[in-house]
Amino acid sequence: DQQVKQNSPSLSVQEGRISILNCDYTNSMFDYFLWYKKYPAEGPTFLISISSIKDKNEDGRFTVFLNKSAKHLSLHIVPSQPGDSAVYFCAAPGAGGTSYGKLTFGQGTILTVHP
Amino acid sequence: NAGVTQTPKFQVLKTGQSMTLQCAQDMNHEYMSWYRQDPGMGLRLIHYSVGAGITDQGEVPNGYNVSRSTTEDFPLRLLSAAPSQTSVYFCASSYSGADQETQYFGPGTRLLVL
Repeated sequence: DQQVKQNSPSLSVQEGRISILNCDYTNSMFDYFLWYKKYPAEGPTFLISISSIKDKNEDGRFTVFLNKSAKHLSLHIVPSQPGDSAVYFCAAPGAGGTSYGKLTFGQGTILTVHP
Repeated sequence: NAGVTQTPKFQVLKTGQSMTLQCAQDMNHEYMSWYRQDPGMGLRLIHYSVGAGITDQGEVPNGYNVSRSTTEDFPLRLLSAAPSQTSVYFCASSYSGADQETQYFGPGTRLLVL
């Protein structure tokens, strides 16, 4: 049972435009959600998170939106830059507020930003 | 701080061979985890540990063993490698007490089983 899903394997955008990466989940008990970014031959790095009691969190060019009724979250990158080209994963911990070292990841979306 | 380190970076094994993937962290994190990344599958949890001496299975534990004798180290053992274990392996650590627990990942070990 895939509790966190990213249905778009890839996304291609032009530099300066908006990138929107989507993620759906099935477990309404998740307390927060995280986005990770991964470059080739490197480990994932934390990008931004959002609590389940909020509907938006912003950090510079990155904004995450949460729609609890639809069980959907999205990551917006504005403006997109070539250095944003990477694989983006959404993730969620177990219910209860802490993951105890366990995260459930989506399949990932490969973002390519063209100059 | 070196963060999370993993060795080796790359390894080729023959079917049936055994090996240990090393993972160490110098951030005094209680929690450590092993994931594997396969195309189209995201990262899947293999085993995790909430502290020295305590380990538990994740989503895909078969074929792997772990132990946690110290806070710093969390090795992953393949007892008899199979081609299905060809993957990229990531070790991660995190600490308790944060409102939103984020994991810090190592650079990964790429394993090829022939």
